[in-house]
Amino acid sequence: AQTVTQSQPEMSVQEAETVTLSCTYDTSESDYYLFWYKQPPSRQMILVIRQEAYKQQNATENRFSVNFQKAAKSFSLKISDSQLGDAAMYFCAYRFYSGNTGKLIFGQGTTLQVKP
Amino acid sequence: EAGVVQSPRYKIIEKKQPVAFWCNPISGHNTLYWYRQNLGQGPELLIRYENEEAVDDSQLPKDRFSAERLKGVDSTLKIQPAELGDSAVYLCASSLGGGNEQFFGPGTRLTVL
Repeated sequence: AQTVTQSQPEMSVQEAETVTLSCTYDTSESDYYLFWYKQPPSRQMILVIRQEAYKQQNATENRFSVNFQKAAKSFSLKISDSQLGDAAMYFCAYRFYSGNTGKLIFGQGTTLQVKP
Repeated sequence: EAGVVQSPRYKIIEKKQPVAFWCNPISGHNTLYWYRQNLGQGPELLIRYENEEAVDDSQLPKDRFSAERLKGVDSTLKIQPAELGDSAVYLCASSLGGGNEQFFGPGTRLTVL
């Protein structure tokens, strides 16, 4: 069974600095999707970034980038120039590539605190 | 464009009482998901609908949980009777097909006393 593990329950960063959130996963599939979601106190999950496993190039979205290490089954999120609005809970998630199941498997989450 | 709408936002009930949650997906989205998120954890899928058909309900505790999606649009998730362990946030999401990005609603926070 596929599992997603986030080993950092809490992280903090100074405003304008860079922080990296870690995620590891386990799967026997060769093709799949990985995601980072942000959940602010309002509880609404917001997609931050997405990575297709068949792509070697790491995904980037403005200040957000990932370090995807397929062999190590590692998928970390780097937030550059951290802003107060980045404070939230961040979830790493896995989704099967084949079959349109759409089922997301989430990690336990990392709470990010941004200090002014 | 309106996002996924859920109601109520909060619900407090006594154990053994029934409760229902409502979800209105984004217009045109044929796939609808219900997730349960326990405190301090990531969401877990309860049920997935393709139009009005429940295609994955393997994680739904069928003894007390039920769901429906009449006419393939709005959906209702019901718990009867509620137990203390059902306290959680219930999230609804929708997508244009099962393989596409899921958009989440704000969730319903259920507290069972």
